[in-house]
Amino acid sequence: QQQVKQSPQSLIVQKGGISIINCAYENTAFDYFPWYQQFPGKGPALLIAIRPDVSEKKEGRFTISFNKSAKQFSLHIMDSQPGDSATYFCAASFLNDYKLSFGAGTTVTVRA
Amino acid sequence: NAGVTQTPKFQVLKTGQSMTLQCAQDMNHEYMSWYRQDPGMGLRLIHYSVGAGITDQGEVPNGYNVSRSTTEDFPLRLLSAAPSQTSVYFCASSYGTSGQETQYFGPGTRLLVL
Repeated sequence: QQQVKQSPQSLIVQKGGISIINCAYENTAFDYFPWYQQFPGKGPALLIAIRPDVSEKKEGRFTISFNKSAKQFSLHIMDSQPGDSATYFCAASFLNDYKLSFGAGTTVTVRA
Repeated sequence: NAGVTQTPKFQVLKTGQSMTLQCAQDMNHEYMSWYRQDPGMGLRLIHYSVGAGITDQGEVPNGYNVSRSTTEDFPLRLLSAAPSQTSVYFCASSYGTSGQETQYFGPGTRLLVL
């Protein structure tokens, strides 16, 4: 049973558009919420991460929005580019626990 | 600095065969882990290690063994391969164990069990 639920399973966006991926969790003890990006044939790589004491974190075109009361967090990819086409995983971990619980993943396709 | 390396890249096994997936890192990371990736299920933790000589089970450990004799290496052993173990396997490492360090993933091993 996945502790982190991710949606949608896939999405297609036009170049320049906004991609939005949502994740929800149940366990309020989670303390760290990273997003990993995976290109075909490669291993996942950390994209951006947030802690629950922050409601938003932005790094370039990538933004995490965090809603602690709703137990939800989302990744927004602004001005999506074909090079952003990849699979994105949200994840969560507990304080002082290095084990990550991953969502099922979202495959993003950016059409030129 | 090669990061996390995995061998082989691809392997075909027959049911009942055994094999070892190799993982090595040259970043002097204490924490290493093995995940399997299956469509629609994300990455699931198989086994992990917080240092040489220390290993523990993750979410899906059945059918797999690990050992950690050195900081650098963390091999995953399939004792008797089953078709349900067809998957892509990723090894990862991180510097610390606070839960908030970046995990660095290897390129993966694609395993097909017939």
